[in-house]
Amino acid sequence: QVQLLESGPGLVKPSETLSLTCTVSGGSLRSHYYSWIRQPPGKGLEWIGYFYDSGNTRYNPSLKSRVTISVDTSKNQFSLNLTSVTAADTAVYFCARRIVTTSEDYFDRWGQGTLVTVSS
Amino acid sequence: DIQMTQSPSSLSAFVGDRVTITCRTSQNVSNYLNWYQQKPGEAPNLLIYAASTLQRGVPLRFTGSRSGTDFTLTISTLQPEDFGTYFCQQTFNAALSFGGGTKVEVK
Repeated sequence: QVQLLESGPGLVKPSETLSLTCTVSGGSLRSHYYSWIRQPPGKGLEWIGYFYDSGNTRYNPSLKSRVTISVDTSKNQFSLNLTSVTAADTAVYFCARRIVTTSEDYFDRWGQGTLVTVSS
Repeated sequence: DIQMTQSPSSLSAFVGDRVTITCRTSQNVSNYLNWYQQKPGEAPNLLIYAASTLQRGVPLRFTGSRSGTDFTLTISTLQPEDFGTYFCQQTFNAALSFGGGTKVEVK
């Protein structure tokens, strides 16, 4: 069974770069789409971006100028870099696997999430 | 971008009640509409995909339907473990989006 696990610092200073890694076990990064999603405390879900075919990426237009998603297939990991963070970037960050077929498209596996707080 | 309007934002119902949550999309998304349940401190859990297909392992009391750009999640007989926040999500547009959520309290 595929499992995803986020890791990274829980505290980031304003204006610095938030960096998180998602480790995938029980499945290959080459077979599906994978995504980052975040949820500010007490609020809804916001899609950050995703990659597919081990290298193609797509980002939320509202975050595009600050986001990079990279992939390390040798480690079965993918990473999120979010630059110039502010308090508004404080959130629980989830990684998730996305199933895409000709008629279906959904997130079927999620990591447990990791809280990142932006504060000095 | 496709806007998702979910209603109500919260509801409280008794065990055994029939509960309906609605998600309206700002444009056609075909059947690319999914429903998730999220409990406090946990990741979202997929309930329904492609508007009406029940995810494996999800109880049969959950159903999804579509009428144009209006989508409905129905819990036929509310159970104590159905508390949490429910989110709809469209995957028709490459710029994915989620509804604002419906918080369900079970009395």
